[in-house]
Amino acid sequence: NAGVTQTPKFRILKIGQSMTLQCAQDMNHNYMYWYRQDPGMGLKLIYYSVGAGITDKGEVPNGYNVSRSTTEDFPLRLELAAPSQTSVYFCASSGTVNSYEQYFGPGTRLTVT
Amino acid sequence: GEDVEQSLFLSVREGDSSVINCTYTDSSSTYLYWYKQEPGAGLQLLTYIFSNMDMKQDQRLTVLLNKKDKHLSLRIADTQTGDSAIYFCAESITDDYKLSFGAGTTVTVRA
Repeated sequence: NAGVTQTPKFRILKIGQSMTLQCAQDMNHNYMYWYRQDPGMGLKLIYYSVGAGITDKGEVPNGYNVSRSTTEDFPLRLELAAPSQTSVYFCASSGTVNSYEQYFGPGTRLTVT
Repeated sequence: GEDVEQSLFLSVREGDSSVINCTYTDSSSTYLYWYKQEPGAGLQLLTYIFSNMDMKQDQRLTVLLNKKDKHLSLRIADTQTGDSAIYFCAESITDDYKLSFGAGTTVTVRA
């Protein structure tokens, strides 16, 4: 199993550009999550999904959109990138509602200039 | 403020014990976790404890939970250079799959 994969690893965007961060998992997990990690801060939940076709907002959803058309994939869309979205983005998945472990991808480092 | 708080830095000599502390605010927290993040990598679960436990030991790791003070600690015995990383404390509530993370403690192991 590859676990949770994310692409790209690094990206530089200009203000106002758009992009999609890709996330995929091969563990047949129902739950998937997007976090951002800012320096000196804990991870903040952007969006999450409890299964294909179902998504919901986390703590910091503004400026982002997600979709979950399949169990495996959970892309995160940035529209009109802003410098405040410069961060490291992590995707994670877990198997059940009481699963104590979330499996994380390696992250995408995004810089918006 | 943050729901989960940790000190930001810890420096420890190789072979000594490391103790990383965490406080949380949600008394309904059911699961408390320690995740490890090595440079350039995602987070990896180290250990977890249920809120009805006071202590959990797993090889070199000991987790202590003081529910009254809402205080969680992680002790790493015989700290090695490979233990240099950022350690995150996190909490969740039964049937709520979302985790709340602290800011992370950067542990540096010196020779």
